[in-house]
Amino acid sequence: AQKVTQAQTEISVVEKEDVTLDCVYETRDTTYYLFWYKQPPSGELVFLIRRNSFDEQNEISGRYSWNFQKSTSSFNFTITASQVVDSAVYFCALSEFGGANSKLTFGKGITLSVRP
Amino acid sequence: DVKVTQSSRYLVKRTGEKVFLECVQDMDHENMFWYRQDPGLGLRLIYFSYDVKMKEKGDIPEGYSVSREKKERFSLILESASTNQTSMYLCASSPGATGGNQPQHFGDGTRLSIL
Repeated sequence: AQKVTQAQTEISVVEKEDVTLDCVYETRDTTYYLFWYKQPPSGELVFLIRRNSFDEQNEISGRYSWNFQKSTSSFNFTITASQVVDSAVYFCALSEFGGANSKLTFGKGITLSVRP
Repeated sequence: DVKVTQSSRYLVKRTGEKVFLECVQDMDHENMFWYRQDPGLGLRLIYFSYDVKMKEKGDIPEGYSVSREKKERFSLILESASTNQTSMYLCASSPGATGGNQPQHFGDGTRLSIL
């Protein structure tokens, strides 16, 4: 069975600090997909990134970067120079290859608070 | 942009009532999902559907049923609401591409309170 662990439950930082959100996953499949979602106070989950298991290249998008390491089964998310608008709950999720329905297993989420 | 619309943001019902939560997506997606979100538990999958009239149980289907009569609409039904079903309910949809690599798109959620 697949599993996603987000060991950090709540993180609080001051604006402009860098922050890393950890995600560790378990799966028996060799082909799988990893996702990060953001849930602002409004409630809607917003898709941030998808990564497949064959692509270990790190990705940067503006202030956001993701570090995927198969050797440690981790897919960590770093926000550089955090802003108050980054305050949200962040979910890491895993999808196994082989089904047409892209069923996701989510971690329990990390609540990030960025103080001015 | 994909739009997933849930019929209510907030809903209050009484114990024993039959409750319907409606979800509509406008992107012709094959897959649709219902989750509940509770503090400390994250998102848990209740049911999903990969085609009209098709449904599959998720991780916590007890006390719920679903209906998908049209491709764009996926309904979650609480047959006899109980207080432990008070929660945030999230609907999502995704394309039916092979491989499970398509991101799901979520609605705004329905915060349901059962009194």
